[in-house]
Amino acid sequence: GNSVTQMEGPVTLSEEAFLTINCTYTATGYPSLFWYVQYPGEGLQLLLKATKADDKGSNKGFEATYRKETTSFHLEKGSVQVSDSAVYFCALGAHRQGAQKLVFGQGTRLTINP
Amino acid sequence: NAGVTQTPKFQVLKTGQSMTLQCAQDMNHEYMSWYRQDPGMGLRLIHYSVGAGITDQGEVPNGYNVSRSTTEDFPLRLLSAAPSQTSVYFCASSTPTGEQYFGPGTRLTVT
Repeated sequence: GNSVTQMEGPVTLSEEAFLTINCTYTATGYPSLFWYVQYPGEGLQLLLKATKADDKGSNKGFEATYRKETTSFHLEKGSVQVSDSAVYFCALGAHRQGAQKLVFGQGTRLTINP
Repeated sequence: NAGVTQTPKFQVLKTGQSMTLQCAQDMNHEYMSWYRQDPGMGLRLIHYSVGAGITDQGEVPNGYNVSRSTTEDFPLRLLSAAPSQTSVYFCASSTPTGEQYFGPGTRLTVT
C-alpha cells in the first residue's frame, strides 16, 4: 500500500540556519505530494504541493522537488526564522473515486531558536 | 467565508458514553474526511465522503460512524467511547486536486 516516511524529529536549529526535512514515499501509480504545516493549537495548513515528477513546489521560502527516481520529496528552506517553528507533515495523495485520499507521514517537529 | 468549522473544541467523556463531533464547511467541496492525530503517528484517516449520501471507511474506522446528508456537514459519531479514542480529531474538506483544508480540531479525552 501507499506510505510516507519522514525523518524523525524533533529538529532544533538556530535562526538563519539551512533546513532540510527528509520525506520518502512508496506508492503505485503517480501520486501527488504535499507538505502541510501545523502551528501549535491549530489544524494543518497546506504549505506546498507537486503533482508530477520533477515539479518543484514552493511557498514562504520553502521548496520541495518531486523526485520519482529516488521516491523523495524533501522540504528545504535556506534561512529559517523563529516563526517557522511548527510540526511539518509530508503527505501523498492517491486518487480514489474522484478525489484525493491523503496518506500522512508521522510529522517532524521543528524548533527554531533565536 | 469560515472555511472548515468544528465543534466542540474540547470534550471529556466517560467510557461507554456516545457523542457527535460536528464539522461544517462553506467551500462547496464534495470531498470531506475525518482524521485522528495521536503522538508520533501522524494523522490517520477514520472515514471519508466523496459527496452527499456517499461515505466510506478509512484506515481506522472501528468505533466511529459517519453520515453525509448535505454537502456542508459531515458529523462523526462515537458510539460507545473507549479510552483508546482519546485523541485530537480533525475534519477536512478537499478540492478535487487534493488540497485539504482542515478545521481547528476537537481534543477528546475518554476517562
